[in-house]
Amino acid sequence: GAVVSQHPSWVICKSGTSVKIECRSLDFQATTMFWYRQFPKQSLMLMATSNEGSKATYEQGVEKDKFLINHASLTLSTLTVTSAHPEDSSFYICSARASSDTQYFGPGTRLTVL
Amino acid sequence: AQSVTQLGSHVSVSEGALVLLRCNYSSSVPPYLFWYVQYPNQGLQLLLKYTSAATLVKGINGFEAEFKKSETSFHLTKPSAHMSDAAEYFCAVSLVSSNTGKLIFGQGTTLQVKP
Repeated sequence: GAVVSQHPSWVICKSGTSVKIECRSLDFQATTMFWYRQFPKQSLMLMATSNEGSKATYEQGVEKDKFLINHASLTLSTLTVTSAHPEDSSFYICSARASSDTQYFGPGTRLTVL
Repeated sequence: AQSVTQLGSHVSVSEGALVLLRCNYSSSVPPYLFWYVQYPNQGLQLLLKYTSAATLVKGINGFEAEFKKSETSFHLTKPSAHMSDAAEYFCAVSLVSSNTGKLIFGQGTTLQVKP
């Protein structure tokens, strides 16, 4: 089956630092990847759509300069949270779109900003 | 605009009982519909999907869902609940004609299975 990995699975950082999260499709190529944010006991909120070789499309209200997305290859997308603050603490989940139009999700990254 | 409504944020069943998780959608064009399951501190796992083929869709772990256009519903069922089914379940819709493949998620339903 289609497998998507994320690294790291959890990260703790100090306020003001930047954190990079990687999302990889392990056994398929994904021209489109998605980044979601999930608060406790809530649904997934789409942050941005990442297309290989082009700029990401951000959802309304998501700061593109704060959440930098790079999709340099068909199997890797990265999300960098710049100058992180405690309010950025959350569970970040990526997904990769297979050719079948199905999204396969990564295991998520728990970010805690102190 | 598309939307998904999951009726009941919390469902509790006894082990061995029928599981029924409700999902209604709104879409002006034919949708693709999905059910995902999420275990604590994990990502989402695809249970099943409807993509305009058979209206009764069978998924993993004994789950199935039926697409009913007249009722704009895609309810998830399982004949007999197991303790391991306790998790968060999300219904999602995407546009058939959308090139982005964006998913719109429902609010989620927490399934509790009592021994």
